[in-house]
Amino acid sequence: GAVVSQHPSWVICKSGTSVKIECRSLDFQATTMFWYRQFPKQSLMLMATSNEGSKATYEQGVEKDKFLINHASLTLSTLTVTSAHPEDSSFYICSAIQRGSEQFFGPGTRLTVL
Amino acid sequence: DAKTTQPTSMDCAEGRAANLPCNHSTISGNEYVYWYRQIHSQGPQYIIHGLKNNETNEMASLIITEDRKSSTLILPHATLRDTAVYYCIVREGDTGNQFYFGTGTSLTVIP
Repeated sequence: GAVVSQHPSWVICKSGTSVKIECRSLDFQATTMFWYRQFPKQSLMLMATSNEGSKATYEQGVEKDKFLINHASLTLSTLTVTSAHPEDSSFYICSAIQRGSEQFFGPGTRLTVL
Repeated sequence: DAKTTQPTSMDCAEGRAANLPCNHSTISGNEYVYWYRQIHSQGPQYIIHGLKNNETNEMASLIITEDRKSSTLILPHATLRDTAVYYCIVREGDTGNQFYFGTGTSLTVIP
């Protein structure tokens, strides 16, 4: 299957700082990328849908000014958690899709905010 | 919101078939049934998907009822490495629409 990577795989930061997470589709061009977050022992929650060259669409309850998404190319999307706080600590997962295909998920990024 | 319901947890003996049920009674005609699994602290892994016919691949079989209101994922010979949370998701097939994950079924394969 297609490969999606994320970087970094884990990050620890101080409260108030911003953190950028990259999501790359390595062997295909992704028309759409998605960002999820997952708290311990819970399911994945969709945060936003990102189409190349256009603004991301955020799910209800997700603050677009706090979670900045940039999808500058067909192989790269970034999620920036701005002014991170301990409650933002979570497992962030991206996925990428080719039109008419299944979603391929990245390995996830563990964010810990101290 | 998730359109599926699954049992919270199941056990299966190693080497036996694991049958994971999923209810999707509100599924519409153009929605596919997808199955993914997630091993602890990893991203979800695609298993199989189908529209109305039964499907089989190297990992599993998917049985969809005739009315499409439920389905069953079958792992024919479960191994310890199949211990994971299994998610059943319905989605429109070819429009790139979002996946909304339900709570999934935590499958434990017992030696």
